[in-house]
Amino acid sequence: AQTVTQSQPEMSVQEAETVTLSCTYDTSESDYYLFWYKQPPSRQMILVIRQEAYKQQNATENRFSVNFQKAAKSFSLKISDSQLGDAAMYFCAYRGTQGGSEKLVFGKGTKLTVNP
Amino acid sequence: NAGVTQTPKFQVLKTGQSMTLQCAQDMNHNSMYWYRQDPGMGLRLIYYSASEGTTDKGEVPNGYNVSRLNKREFSLRLESAAPSQTSVYFCASTDSSLENTIYFGEGSWLTVV
Repeated sequence: AQTVTQSQPEMSVQEAETVTLSCTYDTSESDYYLFWYKQPPSRQMILVIRQEAYKQQNATENRFSVNFQKAAKSFSLKISDSQLGDAAMYFCAYRGTQGGSEKLVFGKGTKLTVNP
Repeated sequence: NAGVTQTPKFQVLKTGQSMTLQCAQDMNHNSMYWYRQDPGMGLRLIYYSASEGTTDKGEVPNGYNVSRLNKREFSLRLESAAPSQTSVYFCASTDSSLENTIYFGEGSWLTVV
């Protein structure tokens, strides 16, 4: 079964600085998708960024980028120029593509605090 | 475009009572999911439905049943609620045509006393 591990329960960053959130996963599949979701206090789940495993190029969305290391099964999220609105829980998630593995598996989350 | 709609948003139950959480999506997605979120545990999959007419157990199915009524609707039923089922429940849906982007409902807060 696929597993996702976020080793940092909490992280903090100064406003305008850069922070990196870590995520590792375990799978035997070669084709899959990886996601970072943001969950503010409202509990809404907001997609931050998505990476397809077959793409070598790291995904980027404005101030958010990933470092995808397929061989190491690592998928970290870098937030540049951190803003107060970035404070939230961040969840790393995995979704397979083979029959029976379509479910989305989440890590336990990292709580990010942004200090003014 | 409503997306994924869950009802109710808040519910308090007594131990042993039953209830059904409703979920509907208007995006014609094939796959639908029910998750629960507890402090420090992230989101754990209860049940999912890869397509209309099929359902499969996730990580924490005990105490729950589901029904994929049609392509739009996927309900979660607690037959005899227990305090351990106090949680926030999320419904979600996706389709392979969307590059597997998952869309979530706003969550249902359930308290069992």
